[in-house]
Amino acid sequence: ELKVEQNPLFLSMQEGKNYTIYCNYSTTSDRLYWYRQDPGKSLESLFVLLSNGAVKQEGRLMASLDTKARLSTLHITAAVHDLSATYFCAVDIDDKIIFGKGTRLHILP
Amino acid sequence: EADIYQTPRYLVIGTGKKITLECSQTMGHDKMYWYQQDPGMELHLIHYSYGVNSTEKGDLSSESTVSRIRTEHFPLTLESARPSHTSQYLCASRSDEAYKYNEQFFGPGTRLTVL
Repeated sequence: ELKVEQNPLFLSMQEGKNYTIYCNYSTTSDRLYWYRQDPGKSLESLFVLLSNGAVKQEGRLMASLDTKARLSTLHITAAVHDLSATYFCAVDIDDKIIFGKGTRLHILP
Repeated sequence: EADIYQTPRYLVIGTGKKITLECSQTMGHDKMYWYQQDPGMELHLIHYSYGVNSTEKGDLSSESTVSRIRTEHFPLTLESARPSHTSQYLCASRSDEAYKYNEQFFGPGTRLTVL
């Protein structure tokens, strides 16, 4: 059974600090996704990672993928309040896309 | 911006009613998905489809049913709504083209309340 585990589940941090969210999964996968969700809203796609060693960056967010370790990270650099949201990773196994529980990120001004 | 639509956006209905949540996409995507999400919680895959006349159950047992008669349309039906069905329902789609990123796009969601 595929399991997707994120940690931490809750994170409160100061503006200007760096932090990393981890996503572990239990089965070999073709693709890994990162999404952002604001309260009461739908999901916004941030990154799609396809291959081992893939790294993508958008603004203060950077995602990486290690398929051998079955691990992806979402790194936040010099956090700002606007990044407060819930971040989900999701793994594609034979066209089923399974989500982690999400990391609720709160950035204090 | 993704062209995937859900109606209604909000629905309050009494126990025992039959309801259909609509999902349509104009991107020609073969793969479509329904997820159930309680506020602030994880998404659970309840149904997915590879294409026309293909439907599969997801990992979360659900009393709902789906159909895929047209590529662009993937409605979800509850024959008899109950309070335990109260949740947000998110529809998503993605392309099936090889060697593409195959990004999954989400609709705005339907927030269902069953009294």
